[in-house]
Amino acid sequence: QMTQSPSSLSASVGDRVTISCRASEEIRHYLAWYQQRPGKLPVLLIHSASTLQSGVSSRFSGSGSGTDFTLTISSLQPEDIATYYCQKYNSAPLTFGGGTKVQIK
Amino acid sequence: EVCLVESGGALVRPGGSLTLSCAASGFTFSHSAMHWVRQAPGRGLEWLSSITGSGTYVYYADSLEGRFIISRDNANSSVSLQMHNLSVEDTAVYYCARGSNSYLGSSGDWGQGTLVAVSS
Repeated sequence: QMTQSPSSLSASVGDRVTISCRASEEIRHYLAWYQQRPGKLPVLLIHSASTLQSGVSSRFSGSGSGTDFTLTISSLQPEDIATYYCQKYNSAPLTFGGGTKVQIK
Repeated sequence: EVCLVESGGALVRPGGSLTLSCAASGFTFSHSAMHWVRQAPGRGLEWLSSITGSGTYVYYADSLEGRFIISRDNANSSVSLQMHNLSVEDTAVYYCARGSNSYLGSSGDWGQGTLVAVSS
């Protein structure tokens, strides 16, 4: 089970935003973060807990290992409006978190 | 360029069956695990099933209760998902996604999705 918090947040442009993801088991660094803009496909942002996927803005960063992980957006931009999901992939089931909807205040 | 194209989505009656297919190109297919993920209207992403690159190992979400079967054809670079005893709760967009390695891995490449609607 993957538990994300908060389920939604509202922040101002330029704010630092942090999303948490907690695994119910030890998953080492096998954690990915995805962004899904409204009506669009999921996009891989970060894999291996902290490795930025090629082409993804350096505003995004990931940290953590074991059971507790964090996605940080250093300076929120209007194009970051989306729902963000974490996913474990150390072993099956490859469970997704429930998602965090990010909105602009 | 990696390309994944799902097909087979349709309107189906409760209790019915359907097979989804995903045609892949742009990478060495047998080197990648493949995943199926779905998203019900207004809901989050739900992992359904994965198959390793060789096809030796398959994995399913417990919630499927044995109703779905994943398979792959490495000669033709395709992966399929057979779905049986469908219910309205299976209504969703179904995505295939490429694993980052031959075992499981994260999903950097996704198909555009195919819609399955279950309704009487």
